Amino acid sequence: AQSVAQPEDQVNVAEGNPLTVKCTYSVSGNPYLFWYVQYPNRGLQFLLKYITGDNLVKGSYGFEAEFNKSQTSFHLKKPSALVSDSALYFCAVRGSNSGGYQKVTFGTGTKLQVIP
Amino acid sequence: NAGVTQTPKFRVLKTGQSMTLLCAQDMNHEYMYWYRQDPGMGLRLIHYSVGEGTTAKGEVPDGYNVSRLKKQNFLLGLESAAPSQTSVYFCASSYGTFNGYTFGSGTRLTVV
Repeated sequence: AQSVAQPEDQVNVAEGNPLTVKCTYSVSGNPYLFWYVQYPNRGLQFLLKYITGDNLVKGSYGFEAEFNKSQTSFHLKKPSALVSDSALYFCAVRGSNSGGYQKVTFGTGTKLQVIP
Repeated sequence: NAGVTQTPKFRVLKTGQSMTLLCAQDMNHEYMYWYRQDPGMGLRLIHYSVGEGTTAKGEVPDGYNVSRLKKQNFLLGLESAAPSQTSVYFCASSYGTFNGYTFGSGTRLTVV
């Protein structure tokens, strides 16, 4: 069974400092990995995805994520945090089997608090 | 603006009542999904659809039914609401299974 772990319920970072939100996964075969952000009282918004290729993926709002196959991780990063980045972040994974629907599993979310 | 629209945004039901949540997307996406979000549990898939006229069960389908008579609409029905169905419900759609999902803004449902 596939799974996603976001080991930190909350991450606090000072504005202007680099941020990292951690994600590890377990899936059969090659993973397809996603990050989403959820602002209060809103739906999730897609940030970025890893399908194949370069291990460093760039996405929206200056975020990037690094895929590490040996550590089965897909950590979300940003060089300089903004107060407006404060939100709930979800990691998600699906397997690479082709043909039809493939289940996407979401993590439980990490609350990012950027302190002015 | 293109996207996923959910109605209603809020609803309070009494135990045993029924209701339908409507999801509409204008992006011509084939795939549509209904999730529920509960504190500490992330998102759990209720039902999904891979195209007009098709539906399938997700992780937590009990107590819910769905229909997709038109490609752009995906309806979620609660036949007899229970307090355990108090949650925030999100509809999502995607062009394919390799793409990110577009989510609606959610429906906050309270069953008393």
